[in-house]
Amino acid sequence: GAGVSQSPSNKVTEKGKDVELRCDPISGHTALYWYRQSLGQGLEFLIYFQGNSAPDKSGLPSDRFSAERTGGSVSTLTIQRTQQEDSAVYLCASSLIPPYSGNTIYFGEGSWLTVV
Amino acid sequence: QKEVEQDPGPLSVPEGAIVSLNCTYSNSAFQYFMWYRQYSRKGPELLMYTYSSGNKEDGRFTAQVDKSSKYISLFIRDSQPSDSATYLCAMSGGGSNYKLTFGKGTLLTVNP
Repeated sequence: GAGVSQSPSNKVTEKGKDVELRCDPISGHTALYWYRQSLGQGLEFLIYFQGNSAPDKSGLPSDRFSAERTGGSVSTLTIQRTQQEDSAVYLCASSLIPPYSGNTIYFGEGSWLTVV
Repeated sequence: QKEVEQDPGPLSVPEGAIVSLNCTYSNSAFQYFMWYRQYSRKGPELLMYTYSSGNKEDGRFTAQVDKSSKYISLFIRDSQPSDSATYLCAMSGGGSNYKLTFGKGTLLTVNP
């Protein structure tokens, strides 16, 4: 596609429910990233995929969070047993490899998650 | 101390003003420095990218990096109402070039 596509754009869920957030990166981008943007916290790195493997999951805040990527393309971030502190914007990004030899990381518009 | 510090503002200036946005950082391994612009309810978009120390100019925007002081700046000349957005500094390096560490962002409003 023309840009990084994320769905849903907005999600309101009840505490304790599971949610899945989807990211479709720019075609041909082998690197994919998930970040979280909370009010007053800025953007925080969650996980990095190179192809279908995730060499860096260090930013996932707890074992309730998981992510996978299939076919070197679409990625899903799953949050189990959601808590109110999970309310945030979840941003997906993609880039060519290697990033920052002049390659740009492109962000999607985010999935706005509210846990009530 | 957070790795990247950025004054959150908000910053309000009249149209045509020169705007200066700044970040300081503590990790000396950072070598890639970026500025992103984020409009309300949109994803961040890359404005400027600089490798190591130095200056880079692109139209009305100038990015400066001073690694000795661990200080980066973004200058916007002849600011326009369309520049009203949140500006985020980001940086990476030290073997994890893919992992961006962001400042919290500065909210800028340019008044017509």
